[in-house]
Amino acid sequence: DGGITQSPKYLFRKEGQNVTLSCEQNLNHDAMYWYRQDPGQGLRLIYYSQIVNDFQKGDIAEGYSVSREKKESFPLTVTSAQKNPTAFYLCASNPSGYTGELFFGEGSRLTVL
Amino acid sequence: GDSVTQMEGPVTLSEEAFLTINCTYTATGYPSLFWYVQYPGEGLQLLLKATKADDKGSNKGFEATYRKETTSFHLEKGSVQVSDSAVYFCPSGLTGGGNKLTFGTGTQLKVEL
Repeated sequence: DGGITQSPKYLFRKEGQNVTLSCEQNLNHDAMYWYRQDPGQGLRLIYYSQIVNDFQKGDIAEGYSVSREKKESFPLTVTSAQKNPTAFYLCASNPSGYTGELFFGEGSRLTVL
Repeated sequence: GDSVTQMEGPVTLSEEAFLTINCTYTATGYPSLFWYVQYPGEGLQLLLKATKADDKGSNKGFEATYRKETTSFHLEKGSVQVSDSAVYFCPSGLTGGGNKLTFGTGTQLKVEL
């Protein structure tokens, strides 16, 4: 089955540690996205990538980093510089980056202790 | 730029009640319009979409019609079930140039027996 796989589903980390969330898709989509969701708030765009080896900052990129070395993979690193990293993280993809329809993964819930 | 105004929640209904969640848009052109649904603890799923005026999107008993004259894309269902309890999003976004959909807080729907 084609889809987007995020891992891990749940992650606990101590303050000051970097953590990397995995996002893999086998849909052959060009564009991939990372959103953050907090309770009672909407989704906020962290980073997006329209093509391999290229990515752009979203609205809340500070404290995060990404890479896009392969078309199917778009990992997100939450660094120690992110002041409030506890959140639900959602990865999404889109065939071309121009049609509007996003396909989402199941999400990763990060809790920083 | 394009924008969408979505009805705030929470909305609480009894099972078999009629559902309407309002969504109105402003746009210089005719963007594609979407409804996404997020069940508890999961990622978002595309519920339905419409790509041009007068199009009706439908799925799982939900419908929404792209109405140019009222600039609306209201979500409706004739008879809701407890399993429809979720958060519903009507995102705004560009139809080109990065395809950065903006998701508000969504409308939380709770259906009770």
